[in-house]
Amino acid sequence: NAGVTQTPKFQVLKTGQSMTLQCAQDMNHEYMSWYRQDPGMGLRLIHYSVGAGITDQGEVPNGYNVSRSTTEDFPLRLLSAAPSQTSVYFCASRHTRTSTDTQYFGPGTRLTVL
Amino acid sequence: AQSVAQPEDQVNVAEGNPLTVKCTYSVSGNPYLFWYVQYPNRGLQFLLKYITGDNLVKGSYGFEAEFNKSQTSFHLKKPSALVSDSALYFCAVRTDTGRRALTFGSGTRLQVQP
Repeated sequence: NAGVTQTPKFQVLKTGQSMTLQCAQDMNHEYMSWYRQDPGMGLRLIHYSVGAGITDQGEVPNGYNVSRSTTEDFPLRLLSAAPSQTSVYFCASRHTRTSTDTQYFGPGTRLTVL
Repeated sequence: AQSVAQPEDQVNVAEGNPLTVKCTYSVSGNPYLFWYVQYPNRGLQFLLKYITGDNLVKGSYGFEAEFNKSQTSFHLKKPSALVSDSALYFCAVRTDTGRRALTFGSGTRLQVQP
């Protein structure tokens, strides 16, 4: 298994540009989520999905869109990048909606918005 | 709402000495508690979790954590620290209610000196 994969590893954008962060998992996990990591703030939930076709907002959803057309993929879209979105983004997945399942993380995407 | 507090930004310990990284939580309902470790420029790796049962949980790399319901704590411990344990450690909590998403603490940097 490749586990949770993310692309790209690094990205620099200008304010107002759009881009999509890719996330894929090959473990047939139902639950997938996106977090951002900022210094001193831990990880904050952006959006999550409990299965194909179902998404919902997390703590900090503004400025981000998601979709889940397949079990494997959960892309995160920035429609108009802002400097406040400079962060490290992590995708995660777990097997089911059950709260006791372990969540597995991708290697992260480091995004800088100028 | 659920929350996690990691009161120490950094913990310094000499190699061979015991280490403790502190975590307290606040939830409605039963807590499911997790510890993750992050090495530089890497994603989060799962260390251990408490779901139910024995209050002392053993995990990867010789780490263990003690669940204390009355003090709402879940401190991470290791009897003898290694230089290679130096990393960023995150405590996280989830419950069966609400969003069922992981809520993370702000992280504690562990520095083990040779």
